[in-house]
Amino acid sequence: NAGVTQTPKFRILKIGQSMTLQCTQDMNHNYMYWYRQDPGMGLKLIYYSVGAGITDKGEVPNGYNVSRSTTEDFPLRLELAAPSQTSVYFCASSRSGTDNQPQHFGDGTRLSIL
Amino acid sequence: AQSVSQHNHHVILSEAASLELGCNYSYGGTVNLFWYVQYPGQHLQLLLKYFSGDPLVKGIKGFEAEFIKSKFSFNLRKPSVQWSDTAEYFCAVNARGGSQGNLIFGKGTKLSVKP
Repeated sequence: NAGVTQTPKFRILKIGQSMTLQCTQDMNHNYMYWYRQDPGMGLKLIYYSVGAGITDKGEVPNGYNVSRSTTEDFPLRLELAAPSQTSVYFCASSRSGTDNQPQHFGDGTRLSIL
Repeated sequence: AQSVSQHNHHVILSEAASLELGCNYSYGGTVNLFWYVQYPGQHLQLLLKYFSGDPLVKGIKGFEAEFIKSKFSFNLRKPSVQWSDTAEYFCAVNARGGSQGNLIFGKGTKLSVKP
């Protein structure tokens, strides 16, 4: 019962570097989400996907890109890391986007940009 | 736009004390409501959810929440907390009829339970 798996768990980047945060789920969920969690700020939606090949922006998409080539995987890419992107990133999935489907979360990736 | 307010940033209780965490949302239409819990170093887990029916919802680990439509509130309660309830609690809402399924989260309430 892996659920939602995120890698890496921790990463330190230098300003201007790029990296990809990986997210995979084994529940055959159509909907996947990326959130960032900043202290005292709750979770903010970065991007989401309603199925393979379909992605859309959330509340805070600037500086990020996503792709969804398969149902299982939803990687998040940072092209030019900036200190403002220091945060904890959570990937989540749900079976559908209808109202009553709870989201299942991964363990998070703690990212520091120095 | 939808928003969620959690009134308490940090709550400190002794074991066996009763708990009530406030959550209010702003949205004129029908909503679905959730409480998630995040234990230290872990991912968010669903505590309970409300979609329709009985406004008093029971979740895992003895938690319950009451939806009061007239007050736009969905407060979380537990009669007697334990040290193991130390965690951060997030209230979340999504609009009924939305197709994206994306949740709007409150800023969270950190609960510390003293043994």
